Amino acid sequence: SQTIHQWPATLVQPVGSPLSLECTVEGTSNPNLYWYRQAAGRGLQLLFYSVGIGQISSEVPQNLSASRPQDRQFILSSKKLLLSDSGFYLCAWSKLGGTYEQYFGPGTRLTVT
Amino acid sequence: QQQVKQSPQSLIVQKGGISIINCAYENTAFDYFPWYQQFPGKGPALLIAIRPDVSEKKEGRFTISFNKSAKQFSLHIMDSQPGDSATYFCAASSRDFGNEKLTFGTGTRLTIIP
Repeated sequence: SQTIHQWPATLVQPVGSPLSLECTVEGTSNPNLYWYRQAAGRGLQLLFYSVGIGQISSEVPQNLSASRPQDRQFILSSKKLLLSDSGFYLCAWSKLGGTYEQYFGPGTRLTVT
Repeated sequence: QQQVKQSPQSLIVQKGGISIINCAYENTAFDYFPWYQQFPGKGPALLIAIRPDVSEKKEGRFTISFNKSAKQFSLHIMDSQPGDSATYFCAASSRDFGNEKLTFGTGTRLTIIP
């Protein structure tokens, strides 16, 4: 069966510091990968998605970037965090050429102070 | 045109009652409509999904009703239980947009009171 991991689970970072969040998927190959952000009490905002290694599409211009160094690894980064970057970051995967179902990871709670 | 509008924003239902959450869309190219359930501090979990070739899909106490002509779909939770208290998101997708991207509604916070 497939499993998606995210770490860290929680993170408190000062404004201006760098960020690196990691997501890995097990039990499948060539997945589509997604990064979402969820502000407190709000909906899901798609930030980035990837259909393959090195292929990243950005949905919203912002202070963040994403990379996919390996088939089942997706990384969300920032060089300098802003207060507005605080939120709940969710990674998700779906089967390439599959039937649309997306499966979410447990999330990372980021607080920028 | 890619928006999915969800209502209500919050809902309180008595235990044993029926919870109903509604979503509406504009883009007729959407051809997949899932519902996700999210508990506080957790990632959303796929609950149930429907395609527009059927008008209803039922899984246990959860039912999706789909009205293609009205471009609306809804989630019904029968015999609602306190354990159903969560935030529910509807979503829609179409291959026309490529890469199976989902467009999410804004969420409904459901509270089931004993």
